[in-house]
Amino acid sequence: TQLLEQSPQFLSIQEGENLTVYCNSSSVFSSLQWYRQEPGEGPVLLVTVVTGGEVKKLKRLTFQFGDARKDSSLHITAAQPGDTGLYLCAGAGVISSGSARQLTFGSGTQLTVLP
Amino acid sequence: DSGVTQTPKHLITATGQRVTLRCSPRSGDLSVYWYQQSLDQGLQFLIQYYNGEERAKGNILERFSAQQFPDLHSELNLSSLELGDSALYFCASSVGATGANVLTFGAGSRLTVL
Repeated sequence: TQLLEQSPQFLSIQEGENLTVYCNSSSVFSSLQWYRQEPGEGPVLLVTVVTGGEVKKLKRLTFQFGDARKDSSLHITAAQPGDTGLYLCAGAGVISSGSARQLTFGSGTQLTVLP
Repeated sequence: DSGVTQTPKHLITATGQRVTLRCSPRSGDLSVYWYQQSLDQGLQFLIQYYNGEERAKGNILERFSAQQFPDLHSELNLSSLELGDSALYFCASSVGATGANVLTFGAGSRLTVL
């Protein structure tokens, strides 16, 4: 059972379209990270969000951490072919456990942006 | 180049064999993590070492073992290989010891067990 559920699992869109990827959990996290992984490479960190309700922008990418720190979303505006990749969310430190835990990765969203 | 070096990049072997995957962390990082990525299981945490000591253990099989050497490089040993062990194995490193650190990943080692 995945502690972090990502949706959609696959997304194929045309260049210029907007999209949103979701990362949901029943657990509370102290922080949440988003990574992008391209074929033949390891995941690369995009952003870390730590405060409930926090919104961070990275050029055309907008990341939001839910108020309850159980969910997050990634919104891409005017997607480009270079945005193609596997997007992974990773939750840190399940608060209810009372101790630091390893990063738990979601199952990922495979995004394909067609030219 | 992330600064985390993994070798070999590709490895093909037979069931029952043993392989060793190697990882050199980014300069200055003391923690090394091993992850397994397969299509059906996603990215699964195996084990973490911090400054030579085992720090945390995840879903690592008893057939698998790892260690971190004094120069901070790490090796993941996979033995009695089964078809289901075919996967991408990633090493990541971080400065600190806590599992919630930001990770820098290597490019991975793709293991195929025939």
